[in-house]
Amino acid sequence: GNSVTQMEGPVTLSEEAFLTINCTYTATGYPSLFWYVQYPGEGLQLLLKATKADDKGSNKGFEATYRKETTSFHLEKGSVQVSDSAVYFCALRGQTGANNLFFGTGTRLTVIP
Amino acid sequence: GAGVSQSPRYKVAKRGQDVALRCDPISGHVSLFWYQQALGQGPEFLTYFQNEAQLDKSGLPSDRFFAERPEGSVSTLKIQRTQQEDSAVYLCASSLGQGAGNTIYFGEGSWLTVV
Repeated sequence: GNSVTQMEGPVTLSEEAFLTINCTYTATGYPSLFWYVQYPGEGLQLLLKATKADDKGSNKGFEATYRKETTSFHLEKGSVQVSDSAVYFCALRGQTGANNLFFGTGTRLTVIP
Repeated sequence: GAGVSQSPRYKVAKRGQDVALRCDPISGHVSLFWYQQALGQGPEFLTYFQNEAQLDKSGLPSDRFFAERPEGSVSTLKIQRTQQEDSAVYLCASSLGQGAGNTIYFGEGSWLTVV
């Protein structure tokens, strides 16, 4: 079946620090992979995605590379800002059935000035 | 509208009361999903529509949960005889197509508290 395992939080970083949030997945076939972000008091927003192996998704300075050999999709950012404080969810969408998203449990990031 | 719209944003229900949560997907989006997000957890799939057809309801936790999308656009999630464990954020999402590469867009959610 499909599942996502995500690095547990919370994570607290100082401004301009390097961020990595680990995500690994289990899936049948060739899923698409996503990172969603949930800012305080707001709904889930798509941050970036990758639809096939070796694709790199990027947005707002964040990036993640679809690694089929390690079944991973780790999120990285070189220099975080206070405004990046949010909960980050890794997710996959399979090829069969309803194609619904399977989410990890989320990682709360707090960036301090 | 430009995004997925949900109402009400906040609902407090007394235990045993019925509630109805509405979702307006992005215009033209064929696929519609409902998710349940408990506090501190990731969203969990409830049910899926392709146009007006409910193709998957495997995530609905009990027969007290019912969803419909009669005209292939607006959808309603109904919870009968609410229980305290139903307290959660209910997220509606839509997607242009069914393929795995299609992005799923989420509404802001309906926050349900059962007291």
